[in-house]
Amino acid sequence: AQSVTQPDIHITVSEGASLELRCNYSYGATPYLFWYVQSPGQGLQLLLKYFSGDTLVQGIKGFEAEFKRSQSSFNLRKPSVHWSDAAEYFCAVDRPLKTSYDKVIFGPGTSLSVIP
Amino acid sequence: NAGVTQTPKFQVLKTGQSMTLQCAQDMNHNSMYWYRQDPGMGLRLIYYSASEGTTDKGEVPNGYNVSRLNKREFSLRLESAAPSQTSVYFCASFFHGSSYNSPLHFGNGTRLTVT
Repeated sequence: AQSVTQPDIHITVSEGASLELRCNYSYGATPYLFWYVQSPGQGLQLLLKYFSGDTLVQGIKGFEAEFKRSQSSFNLRKPSVHWSDAAEYFCAVDRPLKTSYDKVIFGPGTSLSVIP
Repeated sequence: NAGVTQTPKFQVLKTGQSMTLQCAQDMNHNSMYWYRQDPGMGLRLIYYSASEGTTDKGEVPNGYNVSRLNKREFSLRLESAAPSQTSVYFCASFFHGSSYNSPLHFGNGTRLTVT
């Protein structure tokens, strides 16, 4: 079955430290991959996406993610975390050239806390 | 450009009451979704509409109905609210094409409490 796992439920980092959030997926083929961020009381905002091509993708707010086909992973990274990055982060997969009935699958989310 | 607009932002209902959550998008997207988000459960798909005139059940459709009123609007109705429906509800839309799918665009959510 198709699934997305985010092994870390909660992560705490100090401001200025580097960050890596893990995402693994189980899918029949190389999917489209996304990271979304949700600030408290807000909807989800797209951080970055991978469709094809270069496996290192850049997103907004200084985030990047690397697609590793051999590991079925799409980990999110940021070299220096800011206090405003405290939020919930969701990894999601979608099927390329999907039918209208294929649905986006979300991971359970990772909550990020930032210590000043 | 408003994107995806949800109303209301907050709502308190008593058990057994009914209400409709409204969602509208101005991005000419053909597909629209309703999710609910609960602590520790992530996002769960309630209903979706792949195109105007079509709706289908998601993971947790019981207790809900939907209407795709036109291409822009996709409403979610609770006919008889139950405390288990206390949640934050998100509407999302995207473009689904033969060779390209856009990412999901989300509204800011409706926080519903059923007492």
